[in-house]
Amino acid sequence: RKEVEQDPGPFNVPEGATVAFNCTYSNSASQSFFWYRQDCRKEPKLLMSVYSSGNEDGRFTAQLNRASQYISLLIRDSKLSDSATYLCVVNHSGYALNFGKGTSLLVTP
Amino acid sequence: DAGVTQSPTHLIKTRGQHVTLRCSPISGHKSVSWYQQVLGQGPQFIFQYYEKEERGRGNFPDRFSARQFPNYSSELNVNALLLGDSALYLCASSSGQGALYEQYFGPGTRLTVT
Repeated sequence: RKEVEQDPGPFNVPEGATVAFNCTYSNSASQSFFWYRQDCRKEPKLLMSVYSSGNEDGRFTAQLNRASQYISLLIRDSKLSDSATYLCVVNHSGYALNFGKGTSLLVTP
Repeated sequence: DAGVTQSPTHLIKTRGQHVTLRCSPISGHKSVSWYQQVLGQGPQFIFQYYEKEERGRGNFPDRFSARQFPNYSSELNVNALLLGDSALYLCASSSGQGALYEQYFGPGTRLTVT
């Protein structure tokens, strides 16, 4: 079983739509959780850390359910510029980030 | 402020050769990590260095080695290159060592082995 699993998509949504991505992780000792965004042939960029209480940054909301070992990302009012691959990331070792394969999002006009 | 920088941006090598990749962390960051990303996959952890000491190592063969210098920059060395080593090599820096420290990535070095 992979440490971090995501639906690879692609998710094709129209501008203005709300889209949700889910991710599960296998190591219950995981300490920290993140969503990164990666554009084609570019480096991953940190989108947001994910906290147990849930957190929001503008149009983006992240949730963590430790009991179910489940992380989610909600994007409201999608923009064309949101088109990218979204990587779910977990750290259980204290140093190594464990990445999912990513979920591809395409926002269309 | 400058972000993480890496050099070179692209590199083409032949099987059996050796390669050295370089990384400079964000100013003030003392931790550098290296990741390998092959097409269609998420990045895979190779090494982490903090205060010039190796703090973690991923599941990579001994052909991969790294070091960190007193100015916190880092080198990744790969010996006896294989075709399967073709990938994007990413460096990430963080201000400290531990799970709660966010890691910021450089633009990567794209290595092609022929």
